[in-house]
Amino acid sequence: RKEVEQDPGPFNVPEGATVAFNCTYSNSASQSFFWYRQDCRKEPKLLMSVYSSGNEDGRFTAQLNRASQYISLLIRDSKLSDSATYLCVVNPGEGNYQLIWGAGTKLIIKP
Amino acid sequence: DADVTQTPRNRITKTGKRIMLECSQTKGHDRMYWYRQDPGLGLRLIYYSFDVKDINKGEISDGYSVSRQAQAKFSLSLESAIPNQTALYFCATASTSYNEQFFGPGTRLTVL
Repeated sequence: RKEVEQDPGPFNVPEGATVAFNCTYSNSASQSFFWYRQDCRKEPKLLMSVYSSGNEDGRFTAQLNRASQYISLLIRDSKLSDSATYLCVVNPGEGNYQLIWGAGTKLIIKP
Repeated sequence: DADVTQTPRNRITKTGKRIMLECSQTKGHDRMYWYRQDPGLGLRLIYYSFDVKDINKGEISDGYSVSRQAQAKFSLSLESAIPNQTALYFCATASTSYNEQFFGPGTRLTVL
């Protein structure tokens, strides 16, 4: 089993729709979690850190479910500019700075 | 100006050649990382450094070496390039107190 697993997609979604991605992780001791966004042939950029209580930033909501070992990202009112690959990232433990990266979920927003 | 820069941005080379990829940052971060990205796979860590005197192997260090010349510079070398080292290479930095990583624009390396 991969340490961090994501559905590779692509998710083809009409503009204005709501879309959700899940990401599962294998290490129950994992400490912190992130969603990064990567545009085609570009570098990854941090979208959101994921807090245990869940957090929201505009149209984006991230949730953590430690019992089931998954994190989710919800995008509401999707825009054409949301088209990208979304990378799930896990810090496996205290003092361990080797982040574990998922392979990403590709999202395509269609007009 | 970009906070994290990488040179070259693209490189085509032949099997057996020595290649150096360079990374510079102006963010003042102590931690620096080298990753490679292959289609369908997550970013994989090659080497990382917490300061000039601290170098650590990552998940896939075989066939690579690094040098931390200064806080702001971290270079990656392929001593004898092979075709399966064809990939997109990213340098990243992070502060000592927060895990967010900031990436350079990447180097696309092709080994023929």
